[in-house]
Amino acid sequence: SAVISQKPSRDICQRGTSLTIQCQVDSQVTMMFWYRQQPGQSLTLIATANQGSEATYESGFVIDKFPISRPNLTFSTLTVSNMSPEDSSIYLCSVATADSYNEQFFGPGTRLTVL
Amino acid sequence: GQNIDQPTEMTATEGAIVQINCTYQTSGFNGLFWYQQHAGEAPTFLSYNVLDGLEEKGRFSSFLSRSKGYSYLLLKELQMKDSASYLCAVSDSNYQLIWGAGTKLIIKP
Repeated sequence: SAVISQKPSRDICQRGTSLTIQCQVDSQVTMMFWYRQQPGQSLTLIATANQGSEATYESGFVIDKFPISRPNLTFSTLTVSNMSPEDSSIYLCSVATADSYNEQFFGPGTRLTVL
Repeated sequence: GQNIDQPTEMTATEGAIVQINCTYQTSGFNGLFWYQQHAGEAPTFLSYNVLDGLEEKGRFSSFLSRSKGYSYLLLKELQMKDSASYLCAVSDSNYQLIWGAGTKLIIKP
């Protein structure tokens, strides 16, 4: 398994500003993912964070709005840019390791409220 | 397209048994996962099935039929702490997880 921490755990932001969420893993992992979960909804994959190359974004999500960095095998950031109230959500980082049959382990999440 | 279906909400009584169903249509199949998510918390792994049949783990069991595109999660001896959302997810041909909308399970005394 992997232990994942996220910062911040929650934040309240003003419209038009940006927030960067950090995800730290206690071991080197192959794959890191960023999800969004809106209240009462299931998980929506934003992108897969690739080490050493650009993130792979899912339909409906673009790099200008959600820039992602992954400088090494234990760390990634997701920035929510030019926020609007529609971006209010829980943002979750998850990881998968080669020896965990692609089971994903989740961080505690970042609860974002945009006013 | 890819689709995962599970009931939106179920109610059961403490001490009873409940079965949560999941049907799926995906491009490729590399296993099916069940996750538990308590309100305000991150999902936690419950089970993984890649072959047909039943996997038992304590009070929880998970069943898979690949030919029918069907799985269920069986919870026995229900406890109040089992009140949570249960998420079904399928790993597709690219090993990407396709998530169901989740089943909110309400346990009553």
